[in-house]
Amino acid sequence: DAKTTQPPSMDCAEGRAANLPCNHSTISGNEYVYWYRQIHSQGPQYIIHGLKNNETNEMASLIITEDRKSSTLILPHATLRDTAVYYCIVRGYNTDKLIFGTGTRLQVFP
Amino acid sequence: DAGVIQSPRHEVTEMGQEVTLRCKPISGHDYLFWYRQTMMRGLELLIYFNNNVPIDDSGMPEDRFSAKMPNASFSTLKIQPSEPRDSAVYFCASSLKGGNVEAFFGQGTRLTVV
Repeated sequence: DAKTTQPPSMDCAEGRAANLPCNHSTISGNEYVYWYRQIHSQGPQYIIHGLKNNETNEMASLIITEDRKSSTLILPHATLRDTAVYYCIVRGYNTDKLIFGTGTRLQVFP
Repeated sequence: DAGVIQSPRHEVTEMGQEVTLRCKPISGHDYLFWYRQTMMRGLELLIYFNNNVPIDDSGMPEDRFSAKMPNASFSTLKIQPSEPRDSAVYFCASSLKGGNVEAFFGQGTRLTVV
């Protein structure tokens, strides 16, 4: 699976949009982009995933560039409870394993 | 469904003792994964099962670690003998199938070996 690069940390004001970038320049055609987050002391939680089209669900939006070499997770109105480590993962369609990198630590402040 | 259930939530044991961590996956899920998380190494995949069969154990650190899945509703991760460097949070996760679906994680077992 392709490697991902994320900034180690980011800050966001409560109520503002949090935009978390991820670089995956070596992604191949059948690999999906997944996002998980881990709130302190809890197990990781699935957020969203996509192949090439932008995706939106009740938690977030995922914007994937046309060349698919990078993506952005958007939390439209960040709350204090969104403070967590966010992991961007590239995973092949037929790949069973989910391999986590170091993620981005998002701090939402009042 | 109550989600993935792990027990115990916390375990403190002395070096050299055997430790057994338990996991009950979500009913109907085909895949079960064991992860270990430390500050130094982050989240590491140790082993995963498909339909109760171990598929990839390349992440198991050494022979002191073993994992079993005797049936679809139960898995164990055993460390024998335990060492202080095994101190970590161990997570179990399950999913319907390996690709293109989300994995659901348990709350983890915090293991401290003294």
